[in-house]
Amino acid sequence: GIQVEQSPPDLILQEGANSTLRCNFSDSVNNLQWFHQNPWGQLINLFYIPSGTKQNGRLSATTVATERYSLLYISSSQTTDSGVYFCAVEQGYSTLTFGKGTMLLVSP
Amino acid sequence: GAGVSQSPSNKVTEKGKDVELRCDPISGHTALYWYRQSLGQGLEFLIYFQGNSAPDKSGLPSDRFSAERTGGSVSTLTIQRTQQEDSAVYLCASSSRPLTGGRGNSPLHFGNGTRLTVT
Repeated sequence: GIQVEQSPPDLILQEGANSTLRCNFSDSVNNLQWFHQNPWGQLINLFYIPSGTKQNGRLSATTVATERYSLLYISSSQTTDSGVYFCAVEQGYSTLTFGKGTMLLVSP
Repeated sequence: GAGVSQSPSNKVTEKGKDVELRCDPISGHTALYWYRQSLGQGLEFLIYFQGNSAPDKSGLPSDRFSAERTGGSVSTLTIQRTQQEDSAVYLCASSSRPLTGGRGNSPLHFGNGTRLTVT
């Protein structure tokens, strides 16, 4: 099956700093989504982004499908950004395969 | 309701007992997914329902696991003869992906999960 690798596995930031999270995948995909899991375990969909660039407030994402990677940018980080960020991809018409996530801690 | 609803939120059971976990997807969503997340781990796919099509059961870890979806809405995940390694958070998600052809914008929406502890 398709492999999804996320980096870095862990990241510690000072509040206000910027960061870039990366997701590499091993084959072509037709669906890519980014999720944030907060410290209480709730999973929130951030972006549906099989290709191109999207922005939502301080977050933006870019997927370069031909090169099999996606980037999630967090600007001016806040403590509420802490949690685990997951990338998930889909081939064909099946289901999403998740990466192992990047654990982010933003300290005040 | 506005979101995906799962019940119970927590379940503690003794090894060998059967458990049922319930998921109520977002109204009108045709696709429903079950995932499992063990402590500190990523999400493991279990089963996928799309409309009235036969479910994709390829992720179920053993024949002790089964799931059904009645009336294209509510889904129940059943684990028979629970084992300690079944302890995890079981997450349900739904999306509004098209039933036939096309793809459309179909982001996944997750419920808050059921935390299962097998003692």
